[in-house]
Amino acid sequence: GAVVSQHPSWVICKSGTSVKIECRSLDFQATTMFWYRQFPKQSLMLMATSNEGSKATYEQGVEKDKFLINHASLTLSTLTVTSAHPEDSSFYICSASLGGIQETQYFGPGTRLLVL
Amino acid sequence: LAKTTQPISMDSYEGQEVNITCSHNNIATNDYITWYQQFPSQGPRFIIQGYKTKVTNEVASLFIPADRKSSTLSLPRVSLSDTAVYYCLVGDNFNKFYFGSGTKLNVKP
Repeated sequence: GAVVSQHPSWVICKSGTSVKIECRSLDFQATTMFWYRQFPKQSLMLMATSNEGSKATYEQGVEKDKFLINHASLTLSTLTVTSAHPEDSSFYICSASLGGIQETQYFGPGTRLLVL
Repeated sequence: LAKTTQPISMDSYEGQEVNITCSHNNIATNDYITWYQQFPSQGPRFIIQGYKTKVTNEVASLFIPADRKSSTLSLPRVSLSDTAVYYCLVGDNFNKFYFGSGTKLNVKP
């Protein structure tokens, strides 16, 4: 149980285009989903927290207009990187949690984004 | 927000027991301690979670002393496939996880 999927697993796009990444909890309903970014040889950096039906909470330094997050249902959250630039190239990882006091986060496999 | 400190890297040999200790001096009463494993270009994989004393599952054990200011992940009889980065995080599961640098475990034949 506790499987989280991401789609696509990798994407290459031209500078200036927008890219949407989907995160799904396959066998449970996730009260909260999180989005992280990881650059090579670095740790994961939390970008934002999203709860179903409400606006996402962004970490300091993360532009909400550039990284659009939609948490439309208890099993789906999307991250859209708008007007992507080469510096947005990174490994994007989502996680999902039931949100209860004893429920931890389960991570997706990640999406590799390369902006040319 | 509880900050964690772990060794940057560790070396081991196949078949040995590996213990990775994490310090979290500012852990809060409601915080749980969770360990994740991450392979290159993959999302972190949940290993074990605990609140106090000892927790054991099919892959690892987690030892937490009474003051909960540290915790030790124990991996029995590691193999080459256990080479990965291991992250220790604290949080109350309603809050966010802030990842530290993790411990890069290198298992040698």
